Amino acid sequence: AQSVSQHNHHVILSEAASLELGCNYSYGGTVNLFWYVQYPGQHLQLLLKYFSGDPLVKGIKGFEAEFIKSKFSFNLRKPSVQWSDTAEYFCAVNPHHDKIIFGKGTRLHILP
Amino acid sequence: GAVVSQHPSWVICKSGTSVKIECRSLDFQATTMFWYRQFPKQSLMLMATSNEGSKATYEQGVEKDKFLINHASLTLSTLTVTSAHPEDSSFYICSATGLATYNEQFFGPGTRLTVL
Repeated sequence: AQSVSQHNHHVILSEAASLELGCNYSYGGTVNLFWYVQYPGQHLQLLLKYFSGDPLVKGIKGFEAEFIKSKFSFNLRKPSVQWSDTAEYFCAVNPHHDKIIFGKGTRLHILP
Repeated sequence: GAVVSQHPSWVICKSGTSVKIECRSLDFQATTMFWYRQFPKQSLMLMATSNEGSKATYEQGVEKDKFLINHASLTLSTLTVTSAHPEDSSFYICSATGLATYNEQFFGPGTRLTVL
């Protein structure tokens, strides 16, 4: 069955630390890949997406993600986090012509 | 980006009553809408997919008679939780996609349902 795995359930970092959140998926075909963020009390917002082309994708708020097809991975990175990045982050996979599948999410807590 | 709204944002009801949640695409035609359920500290679980003018497709384990979905127009889908019970308390989120969104789903803000 298709699945999305996020390695870290809860991450705690200090401000200015670098961030990398892991995401792996199991699907052999072509996929669209997404990272969503859910700030406390708010709805899901799209951080970035990969459909095709350059595997290094730049998103909003300084986030980026790299699609490595051979590893079925789409890790999210940010070189220097801020307190306002405290949120829950969801990796999602949308196989073409199929439903979107979400990972279980990673709760990120940034210490001021 | 495209905007999706949900109404109400939160609702409290008594056990045994029915609750209707609306999902609207405000600035695009949503040929497909999705309904998700999110339990505290967990991910979004897809409940059903609805295409405008067609019956919804429910995920395994989701009771279609309990969670009635109607997608009668290109801008509106409704989810009715019938005979709600406390275990139905959850955060319900809809998303919508259409030709104009190029296969990207846009999410509503969610509706928090509490059944007493």
